[in-house]
Amino acid sequence: QLVLTQSPSASASLGASVKLTCTLSSGHINYAIAWHQQRPEKGPRFLMKVNSDGSHTKGDGIPDRFSGSSSGAERYLTISSLQSEDEGDYYCQIWGTARVVFFGGGTKLTVL
Amino acid sequence: QVHLVESGGGVVQPGGSLRLSCAASGFDFTNYGMHWVRQAPGKGLEWVTFIRFDGSNKYYADSVKGRCTFSRDNSKNMLYLQVSSLRPEDTAVYFCAKDGSPKAARGDSLDYWGQGTLVTVSS
Repeated sequence: QLVLTQSPSASASLGASVKLTCTLSSGHINYAIAWHQQRPEKGPRFLMKVNSDGSHTKGDGIPDRFSGSSSGAERYLTISSLQSEDEGDYYCQIWGTARVVFFGGGTKLTVL
Repeated sequence: QVHLVESGGGVVQPGGSLRLSCAASGFDFTNYGMHWVRQAPGKGLEWVTFIRFDGSNKYYADSVKGRCTFSRDNSKNMLYLQVSSLRPEDTAVYFCAKDGSPKAARGDSLDYWGQGTLVTVSS
């Protein structure tokens, strides 16, 4: 069964770093995922694709502060030098499964 | 610059129908599949449907299968989502999104999104 597990919430201080996690269900641990950001009252924005080997490809205009990595079934999004504009919801997304496209439940990031 | 603009949302009674549109610009529309994704109030993202670049294949989430028809007009760079037999649980903001891989068979990452159009199903 396809499951993408994300913590419901995360928080970090202005200027600090935060690492968000998306855990893939067994049977899908070799899949790439995408990370999307959704600021309050806005449409989502594609951040990057993260492959199982940890390589990542960012979307247009995504700052260097955003990076991706992988370890086993986990895919990470690291945001460094946190800014207030980074506050919002972050979703991981998978494709190529029987569900075609599927999203994790999202992590709400609060910048303190 | 990729631009996606949805329209057609509104208030509709349960059992009614609605046609959503999405105008696309800034990329070679004929080479990319497209998606609709929805978000119920206060909830996460739910993928709804994908159409291949040439319209030859479409895929639907189980929650809308049989009630939705996704189509595209490559001569006008337009997408259309016909939703019928609407239920209160269909209330959501509907986003159109561009697929990230040219001519993908069943979709890839979604690399551009519109701002969405709100559909409210209520009597």
